[in-house]
Amino acid sequence: DAGVTQSPTHLIKTRGQQVTLRCSPKSGHDTVSWYQQALGQGPQFIFQYYEEEERQRGNFPDRFSGHQFPNYSSELNVNALLLGDSALYLCASSPPGSGRANEQFFGPGTRLTVL
Amino acid sequence: AQSVAQPEDQVNVAEGNPLTVKCTYSVSGNPYLFWYVQYPNRGLQFLLKYITGDNLVKGSYGFEAEFNKSQTSFHLKKPSALVSDSALYFCAVKDTGRRALTFGSGTRLQVQP
Repeated sequence: DAGVTQSPTHLIKTRGQQVTLRCSPKSGHDTVSWYQQALGQGPQFIFQYYEEEERQRGNFPDRFSGHQFPNYSSELNVNALLLGDSALYLCASSPPGSGRANEQFFGPGTRLTVL
Repeated sequence: AQSVAQPEDQVNVAEGNPLTVKCTYSVSGNPYLFWYVQYPNRGLQFLLKYITGDNLVKGSYGFEAEFNKSQTSFHLKKPSALVSDSALYFCAVKDTGRRALTFGSGTRLQVQP
């Protein structure tokens, strides 16, 4: 049973560019959340997708957008990249009917470097 | 607003000794509390959670955590540390009506042989 997978593993972009990160949830999971983990810090919540809709959003600008597909996979898009967007981007999934009690299962992350 | 504090950036302990990693939280409703571990260049792995019931929660790899409502704490413990436990540990909380995890800043655990 595959866990949460993310691609690519690493990515290097320059300021002003746009990037798309991808996530496939754990089998049987229908909810996907995205987090940004800057170096030396804890993960910060970006947004959560459920039934192809953004269900909750953290304190991130509109440059950060996402999408969820019918197969529950998800994309995170970041426009007009800034140096400060350099971070590890983590995707997490959780199963149906979980509410807030269930733990989230995390992928290995995508390391984004903005030059 | 919900928040988590991990007051120690690093905890050092000798192999075989008990370990404690501290966490305090602030929420407006009833908290759901979690501990995760992160190894270098890896994502977060779930260790344990407190939802309701017994204040002492047992989790993976011999870890346990004690929920203390009056002190708003959820400290992670293990009776006998292993060198392989050396990693970055994160405490996280979900508040009533919230679906997102709020994480602490992390505590690096170093277990010396």
